[in-house]
Amino acid sequence: DAKTTQPNSMESNEEEPVHLPCNHSTISGTDYIHWYRQLPSQGPEYVIHGLTSNVNNRMASLAIAEDRKSSTLILHRATLRDAAVYYCILRDPLIQGAQKLVFGQGTRLTINP
Amino acid sequence: DAGVIQSPRHEVTEMGQEVTLRCKPISGHDYLFWYRQTMMRGLELLIYFNNNVPIDDSGMPEDRFSAKMPNASFSTLKIQPSEPRDSAVYFCASSPNRGVGSYEQYFGPGTRLTVT
Repeated sequence: DAKTTQPNSMESNEEEPVHLPCNHSTISGTDYIHWYRQLPSQGPEYVIHGLTSNVNNRMASLAIAEDRKSSTLILHRATLRDAAVYYCILRDPLIQGAQKLVFGQGTRLTINP
Repeated sequence: DAGVIQSPRHEVTEMGQEVTLRCKPISGHDYLFWYRQTMMRGLELLIYFNNNVPIDDSGMPEDRFSAKMPNASFSTLKIQPSEPRDSAVYFCASSPNRGVGSYEQYFGPGTRLTVT
């Protein structure tokens, strides 16, 4: 599996934008980039995913570099509820076992009031 | 929909006892996953099912662990006998089959297991 690298922790202020980076220099042409987050004492929850183009949904935006070797999850206006561990995960739908999620250590995001 | 339902939410048991964790996936989802989370090892996939059939159990730590899915709405993860090192939060997740690239997984609230 292609690996991802994320900072261990980040800190931001409430109501400010947050940019969470993820490096995946060995990404293959068929790998999708998925983001999940885990709020304290809860199970992980899906945030967003993309292949090549930038993606937006009600939770966040995903900006993917042109060479696809990195991506950034953008929270446009952070709230205290966004404090969580954010996981960047690559998945190749064409390989056996594509349904599996392999979690790394993620980025622990702290939001200051 | 109620989401993925897990029971019990907390379980405290003594070493050597049998433990059964239960999961009800979201209706209509084709895949079911069992994960374990510890501080040391993070989130690990134990086993997953597709249409009630086990597909990959390579993450099951040893023979003391077993999982079943007798029907589309119920799955169990059993540990027999339990050991203190099995203490962890166990998550169940389910996923619809929406085609290439998707496979969003929906996680339950987890069962916190403590083996003394």
